[in-house]
Amino acid sequence: EPEVTQTPSHQVTQMGQEVILRCVPISNHLYFYWYRQILGQKVEFLVSFYNNEISEKSEIFDDQFSVERPDGSNFTLKIRSTKLEDSAMYFCASSVLDRAQYFGPGTRLTVT
Amino acid sequence: QKEVEQNSGPLSVPEGAIASLNCTYSDRGSQSFFWYRQYSGKSPELIMSIYSNGDKEDGRFTAQLNKASQYVSLLIRDSQPSDSATYLCAGSGGYNKLIFGAGTRLAVHP
Repeated sequence: EPEVTQTPSHQVTQMGQEVILRCVPISNHLYFYWYRQILGQKVEFLVSFYNNEISEKSEIFDDQFSVERPDGSNFTLKIRSTKLEDSAMYFCASSVLDRAQYFGPGTRLTVT
Repeated sequence: QKEVEQNSGPLSVPEGAIASLNCTYSDRGSQSFFWYRQYSGKSPELIMSIYSNGDKEDGRFTAQLNKASQYVSLLIRDSQPSDSATYLCAGSGGYNKLIFGAGTRLAVHP
Protein backbone atom coordinates (compact mmCIF):
# COMPACT_ATOMS: atom_id res chain seq x y z
CA GLU A 1 0.00 0.00 0.00
CA PRO A 2 1.45 3.40 -0.98
CA GLU A 3 2.47 5.62 1.89
CA VAL A 4 4.01 8.98 2.62
CA THR A 5 7.64 8.78 3.74
CA GLN A 6 9.65 11.37 5.66
CA THR A 7 13.32 11.83 6.46
CA PRO A 8 14.99 12.17 8.84
CA SER A 9 12.93 10.62 11.63
CA HIS A 10 14.72 12.80 14.19
CA GLN A 11 16.69 15.99 13.64
CA VAL A 12 18.60 17.80 16.35
CA THR A 13 19.83 21.29 15.54
CA GLN A 14 21.12 24.36 17.30
CA MET A 15 19.11 27.54 17.54
CA GLY A 16 19.69 29.75 14.50
CA GLN A 17 20.61 26.89 12.19
CA GLU A 18 18.77 26.02 9.01
CA VAL A 19 17.00 22.69 8.68
CA ILE A 20 15.38 20.94 5.75
CA LEU A 21 12.75 18.29 6.34
CA ARG A 22 12.05 15.94 3.47
CA CYS A 23 8.95 14.12 2.36
CA VAL A 24 7.97 11.82 -0.48
CA PRO A 25 4.19 12.06 -0.97
CA ILE A 26 2.08 9.24 -2.40
CA SER A 27 2.86 9.16 -6.10
CA ASN A 28 -0.53 9.95 -7.65
CA HIS A 29 -1.45 12.63 -5.11
CA LEU A 30 -1.66 16.23 -6.19
CA TYR A 31 -1.93 18.17 -2.93
CA PHE A 32 0.83 18.30 -0.34
CA TYR A 33 0.82 19.65 3.19
CA TRP A 34 2.93 20.26 6.23
CA TYR A 35 1.54 20.15 9.76
CA ARG A 36 3.25 20.32 13.11
CA GLN A 37 2.42 19.03 16.57
CA ILE A 38 4.09 20.45 19.63
CA LEU A 39 4.27 17.85 22.39
CA GLY A 40 0.90 17.50 24.09
CA GLN A 41 -0.84 19.93 21.74
CA LYS A 42 -3.09 19.84 18.68
CA VAL A 43 -1.96 19.05 15.17
CA GLU A 44 -1.60 22.45 13.49
CA PHE A 45 -1.76 23.25 9.78
CA LEU A 46 1.28 25.02 8.35
CA VAL A 47 0.95 25.09 4.56
CA SER A 48 -0.70 23.46 1.57
CA PHE A 49 0.90 23.18 -1.87
CA TYR A 50 -0.66 22.46 -5.25
CA ASN A 51 0.49 22.83 -8.82
CA ASN A 52 3.93 24.01 -7.69
CA GLU A 53 2.72 26.84 -5.55
CA ILE A 54 1.47 27.51 -2.04
CA SER A 55 -2.33 27.40 -1.96
CA GLU A 56 -2.77 28.33 1.69
CA LYS A 57 -0.58 29.00 4.70
CA SER A 58 -1.18 29.62 8.38
CA GLU A 59 0.04 32.43 10.61
CA ILE A 60 2.73 30.08 11.87
CA PHE A 61 4.22 29.83 8.38
CA ASP A 62 6.16 33.09 8.44
CA ASP A 63 9.18 34.22 6.42
CA GLN A 64 11.40 31.72 8.22
CA PHE A 65 9.56 28.86 6.54
CA SER A 66 9.57 27.83 2.90
CA VAL A 67 8.44 24.81 0.90
CA GLU A 68 9.67 23.39 -2.35
CA ARG A 69 9.05 20.51 -4.69
CA PRO A 70 12.54 20.25 -6.18
CA ASP A 71 11.74 17.26 -8.39
CA GLY A 72 8.84 14.98 -9.26
CA SER A 73 8.85 13.11 -5.98
CA ASN A 74 10.24 15.13 -3.07
CA PHE A 75 8.51 17.86 -1.06
CA THR A 76 10.59 19.81 1.43
CA LEU A 77 10.06 22.16 4.34
CA LYS A 78 12.89 24.54 5.16
CA ILE A 79 13.22 26.51 8.37
CA ARG A 80 15.88 29.16 7.84
CA SER A 81 16.81 30.11 11.39
CA THR A 82 15.40 27.73 13.94
CA LYS A 83 14.05 28.85 17.29
CA LEU A 84 13.53 26.85 20.47
CA GLU A 85 9.77 27.04 19.89
CA ASP A 86 10.13 25.28 16.53
CA SER A 87 10.75 22.04 18.43
CA ALA A 88 7.86 19.76 17.43
CA MET A 89 6.85 16.80 15.32
CA TYR A 90 6.50 17.83 11.69
CA PHE A 91 4.14 15.79 9.56
CA CYS A 92 3.91 15.78 5.81
CA ALA A 93 0.61 14.75 4.24
CA SER A 94 -0.75 14.31 0.75
CA SER A 95 -4.15 13.92 -0.87
CA VAL A 96 -5.90 13.39 -4.16
CA LEU A 97 -7.82 16.58 -4.89
CA ASP A 98 -9.84 17.69 -1.87
CA ARG A 99 -10.23 14.34 -0.22
CA ALA A 100 -8.68 12.57 2.71
CA GLN A 101 -5.14 13.44 3.67
CA TYR A 102 -2.62 10.71 4.41
CA PHE A 103 0.13 11.47 6.87
CA GLY A 104 3.75 10.42 6.91
CA PRO A 105 5.46 9.10 10.05
CA GLY A 106 6.81 12.52 10.98
CA THR A 107 10.14 14.15 11.75
CA ARG A 108 10.86 15.01 15.35
CA LEU A 109 12.72 18.33 15.36
CA THR A 110 14.62 19.24 18.50
CA VAL A 111 16.13 22.72 18.67
CA THR A 112 18.72 23.23 21.41
CA GLN B 1 -11.52 31.49 14.49
CA LYS B 2 -12.47 28.08 13.15
CA GLU B 3 -12.50 25.51 15.93
CA VAL B 4 -13.03 21.81 16.36
CA GLU B 5 -13.86 20.75 19.89
CA GLN B 6 -13.50 17.32 21.46
CA ASN B 7 -13.77 15.99 24.99
CA SER B 8 -10.20 15.18 25.97
CA GLY B 9 -11.19 12.12 27.98
CA PRO B 10 -9.90 9.68 28.88
CA LEU B 11 -12.86 7.61 27.77
CA SER B 12 -12.58 4.20 29.36
CA VAL B 13 -14.61 1.28 28.01
CA PRO B 14 -14.44 -2.47 28.63
CA GLU B 15 -13.32 -4.79 25.85
CA GLY B 16 -16.22 -5.66 23.56
CA ALA B 17 -18.21 -2.52 24.36
CA ILE B 18 -19.14 0.36 22.06
CA ALA B 19 -16.98 3.46 22.33
CA SER B 20 -18.66 6.73 21.37
CA LEU B 21 -16.52 9.72 20.47
CA ASN B 22 -17.95 13.16 19.76
CA CYS B 23 -16.82 16.34 18.07
CA THR B 24 -18.36 19.74 17.36
CA TYR B 25 -17.15 22.35 14.92
CA SER B 26 -17.67 26.07 14.55
CA ASP B 27 -17.29 26.62 10.79
CA ARG B 28 -20.57 26.04 8.95
CA GLY B 29 -18.60 26.15 5.71
CA SER B 30 -16.75 22.93 6.53
CA GLN B 31 -17.81 20.22 4.09
CA SER B 32 -15.56 17.28 4.91
CA PHE B 33 -14.78 15.58 8.18
CA PHE B 34 -12.27 12.97 9.16
CA TRP B 35 -11.42 10.77 12.08
CA TYR B 36 -7.79 9.93 12.67
CA ARG B 37 -6.27 7.58 15.22
CA GLN B 38 -2.98 8.57 16.80
CA TYR B 39 -0.91 6.25 18.93
CA SER B 40 1.53 7.89 21.31
CA GLY B 41 4.56 9.21 19.43
CA LYS B 42 3.12 8.26 16.04
CA SER B 43 1.47 10.10 13.20
CA PRO B 44 -2.29 10.46 12.59
CA GLU B 45 -3.74 7.46 10.79
CA LEU B 46 -6.93 7.97 8.79
CA ILE B 47 -9.85 5.84 9.98
CA MET B 48 -12.94 7.40 8.44
CA SER B 49 -13.98 10.24 6.20
CA ILE B 50 -17.52 11.59 5.93
CA TYR B 51 -18.81 14.23 3.57
CA SER B 52 -22.61 14.20 3.81
CA ASN B 53 -25.22 14.08 6.56
CA GLY B 54 -26.02 10.68 7.99
CA ASP B 55 -24.08 7.58 8.86
CA LYS B 56 -21.16 5.91 7.18
CA GLU B 57 -20.04 2.45 8.25
CA ASP B 58 -16.71 0.74 7.70
CA GLY B 59 -16.17 -2.49 9.57
CA ARG B 60 -16.37 -1.82 13.30
CA PHE B 61 -16.42 1.95 12.78
CA THR B 62 -19.43 4.19 12.11
CA ALA B 63 -19.09 7.91 11.53
CA GLN B 64 -22.09 10.19 11.87
CA LEU B 65 -22.42 13.74 10.59
CA ASN B 66 -25.11 16.28 11.41
CA LYS B 67 -24.33 19.55 9.64
CA ALA B 68 -27.33 21.37 11.11
CA SER B 69 -26.04 20.68 14.62
CA GLN B 70 -22.39 20.97 13.54
CA TYR B 71 -21.71 17.62 15.14
CA VAL B 72 -19.61 14.63 14.14
CA SER B 73 -19.29 11.36 15.98
CA LEU B 74 -17.44 8.07 15.75
CA LEU B 75 -18.71 4.79 17.13
CA ILE B 76 -16.34 1.88 17.61
CA ARG B 77 -18.14 -1.44 18.05
CA ASP B 78 -16.59 -4.46 19.78
CA SER B 79 -13.78 -2.29 21.16
CA GLN B 80 -10.40 -4.01 21.48
CA PRO B 81 -7.38 -3.10 23.64
CA SER B 82 -5.56 -2.30 20.38
CA ASP B 83 -8.11 0.51 19.84
CA SER B 84 -6.60 2.35 22.81
CA ALA B 85 -5.26 5.56 21.30
CA THR B 86 -6.10 9.23 20.88
CA TYR B 87 -8.82 9.88 18.30
CA LEU B 88 -8.56 13.13 16.39
CA CYS B 89 -11.52 14.77 14.72
CA ALA B 90 -10.67 17.06 11.81
CA GLY B 91 -12.73 19.28 9.56
CA SER B 92 -11.88 20.95 6.30
CA GLY B 93 -11.03 24.55 7.12
CA GLY B 94 -10.44 26.13 3.77
CA TYR B 95 -8.45 25.28 0.71
CA ASN B 96 -7.85 21.68 1.70
CA LYS B 97 -6.39 22.43 5.10
CA LEU B 98 -7.57 20.41 8.05
CA ILE B 99 -8.44 21.87 11.42
CA PHE B 100 -7.91 19.34 14.18
CA GLY B 101 -9.47 18.96 17.56
CA ALA B 102 -7.28 18.26 20.57
CA GLY B 103 -8.27 14.59 20.49
CA THR B 104 -10.06 12.18 22.81
CA ARG B 105 -7.98 9.58 24.58
CA LEU B 106 -9.66 6.17 24.49
CA ALA B 107 -8.66 3.38 26.86
CA VAL B 108 -10.10 -0.10 26.27
CA HIS B 109 -9.52 -2.36 29.24
CA PRO B 110 -9.68 -6.17 29.13
